[in-house]
Amino acid sequence: AQSVAQPEDQVNVAEGNPLTVKCTYSVSGNPYLFWYVQYPNRGLQFLLKYITGDNLVKGSYGFEAEFNKSQTSFHLKKPSALVSDSALYFCAVRDAAGYSTLTFGKGTMLLVSP
Amino acid sequence: DVKVTQSSRYLVKRTGEKVFLECVQDMDHENMFWYRQDPGLGLRLIYFSYDVKMKEKGDIPEGYSVSREKKERFSLILESASTNQTSMYLCASSRTGKEVYGYTFGSGTRLTVV
Repeated sequence: AQSVAQPEDQVNVAEGNPLTVKCTYSVSGNPYLFWYVQYPNRGLQFLLKYITGDNLVKGSYGFEAEFNKSQTSFHLKKPSALVSDSALYFCAVRDAAGYSTLTFGKGTMLLVSP
Repeated sequence: DVKVTQSSRYLVKRTGEKVFLECVQDMDHENMFWYRQDPGLGLRLIYFSYDVKMKEKGDIPEGYSVSREKKERFSLILESASTNQTSMYLCASSRTGKEVYGYTFGSGTRLTVV
């Protein structure tokens, strides 16, 4: 079975500071990894994905994520946070072998203060 | 702009009612999904479909059924609504192919069962 853990329910950061939202995963084979963002009363929006290759993946709105196979992690990062980045962030995983659906973490609320 | 459209943003239904949640996508995607989102639990997969008239149970199918008579439409049915089905319901779709695709989500339907 595949699973995702987002250990922090909430992350607080001041505007202009770097941010990290943590994610660890478990799959039987190689992973496909995704980050999504959800603004209030909206659906999820795709930010970025890791399939293979470079461990640092760049995505929308200046976000990036670092894949670390030995630590089974896929942390979301941004060098300088904006107040408008405040939202709920979800990490998701699926096994690269065969067909499987995405399994999502419980989500991390990011609050960026002015 | 590609879209997944959920017919209702907010619904209030009575216990025991049969409830239909509709989802339509205009991207000619093969795969469609229904998730429910609850605070602290993240997204949990109810049902998915990888082709017309095909359906597969997700992690929490009890109390739900689905229908996919046309490629673009995927309906979630609550046979007899109960208060523990009060939740945010998210529909998503994705493409099948050599490339690894993420999911495109609708804006969600917030269902309250009273």
